[in-house]
Amino acid sequence: AAGVIQSPRHLIKEKRETATLKCYPIPRHDTVYWYQQGPGQDPQFLISFYEKMQSDKGSIPDRFSAQQFSDYHSELNMSSLELGDSALYFCASSLNRGLAGDFRDYEQYFGPGTRLTVT
Amino acid sequence: DQQVKQNSPSLSVQEGRISILNCDYTNSMFDYFLWYKKYPAEGPTFLISISSIKDKNEDGRFTVFLNKSAKHLSLHIVPSQPGDSAVYFCAASARSGAGSYQLTFGKGTKLSVIP
Repeated sequence: AAGVIQSPRHLIKEKRETATLKCYPIPRHDTVYWYQQGPGQDPQFLISFYEKMQSDKGSIPDRFSAQQFSDYHSELNMSSLELGDSALYFCASSLNRGLAGDFRDYEQYFGPGTRLTVT
Repeated sequence: DQQVKQNSPSLSVQEGRISILNCDYTNSMFDYFLWYKKYPAEGPTFLISISSIKDKNEDGRFTVFLNKSAKHLSLHIVPSQPGDSAVYFCAASARSGAGSYQLTFGKGTKLSVIP
């Protein structure tokens, strides 16, 4: 079965540079989530999109922006990179069935992550 | 403020025995709970879940128990196998926006199953 694809898998940038991370959800999934996992930490929610519209926002810095495109893939744009941005960035996708009481809407499937190193 | 807590950073279990991983939460708005398994250099893999209207969900060797009054859930793996060795994350969710069910994770428990 097709899974969530993230690219690149590894990225090394210098301080103050920009980075773009890409996420391709599971086919037919309409919702994309971005999470950041620092060393030894739990994944922290950054932002989500449903049907190409931002649906929720977490602890995402103002230097970061994201969008979901017409083919449902999503990109996370990171500017003025700081050393503290070094982390694993996960994308997850889900299918929002919109049926009352259908808890499967909650189930998110994660990609392999992009490891960003800022030097 | 950690809304989902996994108080045991690590757990070692003998192959064939039961592994019990625990998770506590503080937010009463959470209505769905999930367990993810994570290997190094890979993304979290969905394992099993439970909604707040149930107290048990079973899938093969994996069973999740939910005690709403205690705001506690646990994952039982029986029998444990060496391939189960991984970091297990407990996650909780509440609908927070149009079509959004962001997950709040615990810090994970590293399970080691000893052959």
